[in-house]
Amino acid sequence: DTGVSQDPRHKITKRGQNVTFRCDPISEHNRLYWYRQTLGQGPEFLTYFQNEAQLEKSRLLSDRFSAERPKGSFSTLEIQRTEQGDSAMYLCASSVDLAGISYEQYFGPGTRLTVT
Amino acid sequence: RKEVEQDPGPFNVPEGATVAFNCTYSNSASQSFFWYRQDCRKEPKLLMSVYSSGNEDGRFTAQLNRASQYISLLIRDSKLSDSATYLCVVNALDTGRRALTFGSGTRLQVQP
Repeated sequence: DTGVSQDPRHKITKRGQNVTFRCDPISEHNRLYWYRQTLGQGPEFLTYFQNEAQLEKSRLLSDRFSAERPKGSFSTLEIQRTEQGDSAMYLCASSVDLAGISYEQYFGPGTRLTVT
Repeated sequence: RKEVEQDPGPFNVPEGATVAFNCTYSNSASQSFFWYRQDCRKEPKLLMSVYSSGNEDGRFTAQLNRASQYISLLIRDSKLSDSATYLCVVNALDTGRRALTFGSGTRLQVQP
């Protein structure tokens, strides 16, 4: 499968624990995005990378959240000291961005986080 | 006010019906527009881009009205498989990023 993959698909954790999610974008896609989606809402932007550089973080991304894309390929999203309000679907998307022109974003299947 | 607003529905229509969804956006600098489809507990998938001149893809027609800042999606001859949530999406390039801003989605249920 050459699409965007995410791991794990589901994560149940207790409040206060740390969790880490991984996203593998489509190879050669230089842009990688993280979104969060709660029930009944559309996905909300969290952060994005151009290659290995994190270029923007949403104000939704509190200091408990950190994302990395160390070699410009896969990315990780870590949430420290999880809270029940962090329960959501975390979606990763990737795209090609060439000379300022963005192309379609392809989404992964998401990681569903439940904080108990 | 949300950046992208949609009627949440649900729209319950019989097979074969024509159904239309509208969406309004608040950022006049928005440059790119899309409709995504999302099935229950699945990831969003691009249905179609929306161009200024309007565009059609089979049974689906998308229109953009920049002056009124709204986007529409028309589905003709609805199929049971069209049942899903339809997300209106805009991309405002003035923010310098390419992240998409999603509406909350309109749920469509096509009934036999």
